[in-house]
Amino acid sequence: GAGVSQSPSNKVTEKGKDVELRCDPISGHTALYWYRQSLGQGLEFLIYFQGNSAPDKSGLPSDRFSAERTGGSVSTLTIQRTQQEDSAVYLCASSPGGRSIYEQYFGPGTRLTVT
Amino acid sequence: SQQGEEDPQALSIQEGENATMNCSYKTSINNLQWYRQNSGRGLVHLILIRSNEREKHSGRLRVTLDTSKKSSSLLITASRAADTASYFCATDGKLVFGKGTKLTVNP
Repeated sequence: GAGVSQSPSNKVTEKGKDVELRCDPISGHTALYWYRQSLGQGLEFLIYFQGNSAPDKSGLPSDRFSAERTGGSVSTLTIQRTQQEDSAVYLCASSPGGRSIYEQYFGPGTRLTVT
Repeated sequence: SQQGEEDPQALSIQEGENATMNCSYKTSINNLQWYRQNSGRGLVHLILIRSNEREKHSGRLRVTLDTSKKSSSLLITASRAADTASYFCATDGKLVFGKGTKLTVNP
């Protein structure tokens, strides 16, 4: 079946511009996560959505970052006034929830380059 | 700070050999997971071990968990060139990953 998809796959933007990254989770998955991975680094948690609960935003690095999940499905990560240090691969993952909530299925990522 | 830290940072072995990598974490957990990341298939979930389990097998993978030492190991037996990838451990909750172990399996 279809996996997690993300768009765009690559995004080059100028410093100071806003960007939106999209994630389409696996159908029926209740949990959705955003991470970012900088070159040579591990994954940094950003935000977590679980069903209709309030999202866990504790990983967002600044108030320039925000995310929404509409209708319990598609999610958009928005970065306002991008900075060069925002350059990274942004990964989205979804999980089935319940007992399998920690088994995450990752999308291919969006590579963001801020020039 | 990262919750999971993998060791070694890099490992190079010959095809057919076994590869062992370790992970240490800091706080109590409900489960620990191992993921693999390579350029071809992105980040893929390999195996999850719960805090009340000590060992788990999946194909050529064997994972152990020692909650008293807050550590886990991943053993890949009879390695193949296709196992070349970075391996990450992650703990429950918000899955804070370490920097991974970069495994190279030489044919």
